[in-house]
Amino acid sequence: KNEVEQSPQNLTAQEGEFITINCSYSVGISALHWLQQHPGGGIVSLFMLSSGKKKHGRLIATINIQEKHSSLHITASHPRDSAVYICAASGGSQGNLIFGKGTKLSVKP
Amino acid sequence: IAGITQAPTSQILAAGRRMTLRCTQDMRHNAMYWYRQDLGLGLRLIHYSNTAGTTGKGEVPDGYSVSRANTDDFPLTLASAVPSQTSVYFCASSDSRFPYGYTFGSGTRLTVV
Repeated sequence: KNEVEQSPQNLTAQEGEFITINCSYSVGISALHWLQQHPGGGIVSLFMLSSGKKKHGRLIATINIQEKHSSLHITASHPRDSAVYICAASGGSQGNLIFGKGTKLSVKP
Repeated sequence: IAGITQAPTSQILAAGRRMTLRCTQDMRHNAMYWYRQDLGLGLRLIHYSNTAGTTGKGEVPDGYSVSRANTDDFPLTLASAVPSQTSVYFCASSDSRFPYGYTFGSGTRLTVV
């Protein structure tokens, strides 16, 4: 079993829909990261959170430390949101991130 | 602009050749990492360095070496490239002080033929 599990693996939505991507982890963490990667592109850090909720524009990230679960929400989705979203836990013994396999999001106009 | 610079952006390399991927950061982060990204496997740690002068092995270190002569630079060397090292390589750094922000380079796409 992977230490960081994401669901769904693939997600297709219509423009304007509310989107939720889930992440569960089994390791102890100091922080949970949400990353975005566009096709052929680099990796951008969206959020780093260790408790509660953070919001940036149409993106919202929440974490429940007791349940070891985090969610990334996108409100009023847009085709430019199409990307792979990766959940990663700061919990590696070398200070490294432990990554989920990613969720490929496609938003159709 | 603060961040991480990786070079080259992409490279096609003959098997058996030696190759160094360069990574430079200007944020004075203590920790630096090399990851490889492969379809279906996600991102995996190759080597890491928690501070200048120290390095360690990650999950998939075989065939790779690193050095950390100073805070800014963390090159990754493939001594004798093999086709299984075809991948996208990302360098990253993190701040050892709260809030432990993570920054990624733009990646190097390497094809070994």
